[in-house]
Amino acid sequence: KQEVTQIPAALSVPEGENLVLNCSFTDSAIYNLQWFRQDPGKGLTSLLLIQSSQREQTSGRLNASLDKSSGRSTLYIAASQPGDSATYLCAVSLQTGANNLFFGTGTRLTVIP
Amino acid sequence: NAGVTQTPKFRILKIGQSMTLQCTQDMNHNYMYWYRQDPGMGLKLIYYSVGAGITDKGEVPNGYNVSRSTTEDFPLRLELAAPSQTSVYFCASSKNVDILGAFFGQGTRLTVV
Repeated sequence: KQEVTQIPAALSVPEGENLVLNCSFTDSAIYNLQWFRQDPGKGLTSLLLIQSSQREQTSGRLNASLDKSSGRSTLYIAASQPGDSATYLCAVSLQTGANNLFFGTGTRLTVIP
Repeated sequence: NAGVTQTPKFRILKIGQSMTLQCTQDMNHNYMYWYRQDPGMGLKLIYYSVGAGITDKGEVPNGYNVSRSTTEDFPLRLELAAPSQTSVYFCASSKNVDILGAFFGQGTRLTVV
């Protein structure tokens, strides 16, 4: 069974700092990996999707990388802002199919003004 | 606004009571999903549907039932509520089979006492 781990569980940084969030998974035979953002009391918002054949994806100040062989992904946030404060979740799918999406436990990010 | 609407947002149930969590999407998505999120845990898939009239079990289906009579609606039924079902429930929908770019509802916080 795929296990997805995110460390640390919580992170506080001062505004303007660059930061990295980590995601590790046990089964490297993934189909794709996604990073989501979850605001308190809200649903999830998809941020970036990396297909298994890709190494990274970028969207604005966000950059996600994928290393399948080591079972790791990182989400890099440049020049952090207070509005980036949220919980960030990664999720992996092993194959095409809605029943094969596994979520990590998330990292709660606080950006201090 | 287009999106996924869940009702209610909050609910307290007594052990043994029943209820239905409603989920509606107006984007004509074929794929719909129900997840639960326990404190400090990742999201777990309860049930999913690939189209009207078709449903299938996810990772944690016990104690729940679903139906998909229309493309828009995907209600989740709890027949005999138990304290273990205390959680936050999220409904989601997507155009593609891999939940790429999925839209999530705002969640239903359910407490069983």
